[in-house]
Amino acid sequence: KAGVTQTPRYLIKTRGQQVTLSCSPISGHRSVSWYQQTPGQGLQFLFEYFSETQRNKGNFPGRFSGRQFSNSRSEMNVSTLELGDSALYLCASSSDRGGWTQYFGPGTRLTVL
Amino acid sequence: DQQVKQNSPSLSVQEGRISILNCDYTNSMFDYFLWYKKYPAEGPTFLISISSIKDKNEDGRFTVFLNKSAKHLSLHIVPSQPGDSAVYFCAASALGGSEKLVFGKGTKLTVNP
Repeated sequence: KAGVTQTPRYLIKTRGQQVTLSCSPISGHRSVSWYQQTPGQGLQFLFEYFSETQRNKGNFPGRFSGRQFSNSRSEMNVSTLELGDSALYLCASSSDRGGWTQYFGPGTRLTVL
Repeated sequence: DQQVKQNSPSLSVQEGRISILNCDYTNSMFDYFLWYKKYPAEGPTFLISISSIKDKNEDGRFTVFLNKSAKHLSLHIVPSQPGDSAVYFCAASALGGSEKLVFGKGTKLTVNP
């Protein structure tokens, strides 16, 4: 099976812009979670989607949003970018059948200038 | 409030010896624990997990031990190999793993030839 894929792998934006990141889960996985990794805060949970519905949400401002499509692919959007949004954004997928182990994609490195 | 703690930021061991990475948690609702290995600029790779109904789980060179009364888990790698050099993250989840993952800050393992 193909693993979790994320596009783009690298992105450079300027303050005030918005960005959309994409994630394709492992085939058959219906849950997609997003995490932000920064040197200071480590891996922080953003939100999780299951069957097109947001099931869990972390403590991030409303500028961070996401959605999931009927094929389980997910997108994450960050509006009005701030310098502090520079991070590695990781997507993970899991299955509700046979356990919930989350498998991660390679991440999207976002740099905000 | 850090619910998952990895108190050793780094660990150095000789090739062939045992590596022991430790993790403590505070939330009694956590019932599913995972270890991930991460190289720079890549997503975390799942290594091994353990449910709270067990106290030990083995997979090849990797063994995870769970001490529920102490709220402590450890990952043993035997024998350690230079390719094991990476950052290791401990993560915990509730409701059998269906809830979000809460990560520790990571321990950087260096295995010297």
